[in-house]
Parts: sequence; structure tokens; C-alpha cells
Amino acid sequence: DIVMTQSPDSLGVSLGERATINCKSSQSVFSSSNSKNYLAWYQHKAGQPPKLLFSWASNRNSGVPARFSGSGSGTDFTLTISSLQAEDVAVYYCQQYYDSPPTFGHGTRVDIK
Amino acid sequence: QVQMVQSGAEVKKPGSSVKIPCKVSGGTFRSYTISWVRQAPGQGLEWLGRIIPMVGTPNYARKVQGRVTITADESTNTAYMELRSLRSDDTAVYYCASVFSGSSFFEYWGQGTPVTVSS
Repeated sequence: DIVMTQSPDSLGVSLGERATINCKSSQSVFSSSNSKNYLAWYQHKAGQPPKLLFSWASNRNSGVPARFSGSGSGTDFTLTISSLQAEDVAVYYCQQYYDSPPTFGHGTRVDIK
Repeated sequence: QVQMVQSGAEVKKPGSSVKIPCKVSGGTFRSYTISWVRQAPGQGLEWLGRIIPMVGTPNYARKVQGRVTITADESTNTAYMELRSLRSDDTAVYYCASVFSGSSFFEYWGQGTPVTVSS
């Protein structure tokens, strides 16, 4: 199985400041056949189901604010929140779907500092 | 807009089974990939398996293979996940999730069904 490793485990960010979450896969999730990275990002708030933020590493899902961005390729990916808002407090997960089984990172908790 | 509605919380004895429905509306049921994902207390997200109703053949995670069955009823637009021989470490919130196409990321989610396994 492809192992997804996120860093850091948690981070505290001041309102309006940047938050950066890293995700590394144990093998490349890039497909040369379609030039796509099979990597998704989710936001998970307590008591709610996870919410898809990005598919294909950087394809923002409908309704996701522009302050969220996804980047990276191959084995190294980043989720950035450019200006943290109070409603962004959550656990964020990366997930690969290049190979079966789809696997998730262990999550990164984002709080207000 | 696709909506996925699951049943309410369950409390089960070790060794018993649970079967959770997930009713899908707002999309072409048979064309979606429907997966089941769980989150144990204090843990991350774990994929259990998936089915594409149009294809019919499910795929399962090795960890639950042999104990899990995922089915899809096109007449009612409902997917089901049955987990047997329940153990305490099956205590989790179980989600159905879907995406249009054969990909395995998860665009639409059910609200989650908490399952507690306790004697």
C-alpha cells in the first residue's frame, strides 16, 4: 500500500497568517499517461463528514475559498491556506487514489494561535 | 447536487453484524463510485471498500476482507455496507462517500453512522 505521511501533526497559526501542510507519498502518484497527480485534500471538522478541497492535487472543488491552494507533483504535495480564518480550524487529510487501496495521511490539525 | 443519507447510530455486541444503508439522491446512481470510509476514535480515515453499481463487483480493503460486504440496490438508489464478526476495534464512525466516475477520491459524503461495539 502507498503510505502517506503528513507534516506537521498540528500547527497553530494566527488569524490572517499562512498555514502550510505537507504530504509525502511513499511512491509517486503521478501518471504520465494523463499527466495527473492522483492526490486529494480534505478538510474535516468535528461532527461533520470530511469535505473535499482538492482533487488531482490542485483542482479546487466547487465552493472552496480561493485562500486554499494545492500544489506539488510526484511524491511531494502542499496544502496552503494563505490567510487563516476562524472557520478553517479543522483536521486536514491528504489521500492518494493512484493505487488501490486508496490511503490517507494521518491528518494535520490546524488551530488558531 | 448529490445527497447521501445514512441511518442512525448503532450499538452492537462483539461477534454480531451491522448493516448500514446509504441512500443516494440527485445523481445517476449507477454511474457513481460509492465507497465506505471509517474513522475510529482519535484515529484517521480508513477506506474499507467500494462499488460501482453499473459494474457491480465490489473491491475491499485487505484489513476487512472476509468480514465486509458492500452492495448496491439500483431500484432504491441505496448502497449498503455490512460488517460481520464485530470487534471492539470496529467502533468508529462509518461514512459512505462517492464520486462520479471510476476515481477513488470522495466528493460527496454521507453524514456518518456511529457504530459502537461493546459487551
